[in-house]
Amino acid sequence: GQQVMQIPQYQHVQEGEDFTTYCNSSTTLSNIQWYKQRPGGHPVFLIQLVKSGEVKKQKRLTFQFGEAKKNSSLHITATQTTDVGTYFCAGLSYGGATNKLIFGTGTLLAVQP
Amino acid sequence: EAQVTQNPRYLITVTGKKLTVTCSQNMNHEYMSWYRQDPGLGLRQIYYSMNVEVTDKGDVPEGYKVSRKEKRNFPLILESPSPNQTSLYFCASSWGTSGVRYNEQFFGPGTRLTVL
Repeated sequence: GQQVMQIPQYQHVQEGEDFTTYCNSSTTLSNIQWYKQRPGGHPVFLIQLVKSGEVKKQKRLTFQFGEAKKNSSLHITATQTTDVGTYFCAGLSYGGATNKLIFGTGTLLAVQP
Repeated sequence: EAQVTQNPRYLITVTGKKLTVTCSQNMNHEYMSWYRQDPGLGLRQIYYSMNVEVTDKGDVPEGYKVSRKEKRNFPLILESPSPNQTSLYFCASSWGTSGVRYNEQFFGPGTRLTVL
């Protein structure tokens, strides 16, 4: 079955450093979504990528969808303590069921002031 | 305020005692889903529903039941809970009959369940 892996599982950075999490799928994806979960909270939608090679930016966050639509990345520039949390990618297999998002295992980001 | 609500937020129970976790959304969303979150495993889908009376299994449906009699409600039922169902559970909803393909999901606050 489809699997979505994320690396790293955990990253600790100093405030102001950059951070990147990578998401890799075993199958080609039709689209990918990114969610953020603050400690003790629930996942909150950040963005969706649909097109091959797509790049989207939200302030300090840059999201990329690979050319082959099997991988994606989230890059945060100059991290802040408000960026703390777990970042999940979630993808739908190309040609697969339209109703089942497969979530990655998540990357926990810790930011030291 | 647009939201997804879950009850209870915390529950400690014993093996075999039937329980129901309720989920309700006020956004008139067609699609609703249940996930469980376990350390190192991310979010895994249990069941989902495309609309009233339409439900289907996710990736880890064993030991769970759901029903969708009303559009706004999607309860999760554990007929005979076991310790391996100790987890953090999230309900989510999204609009549109195309499910989650192009639509963001709105998550509830979570229910932390412990089965002794």
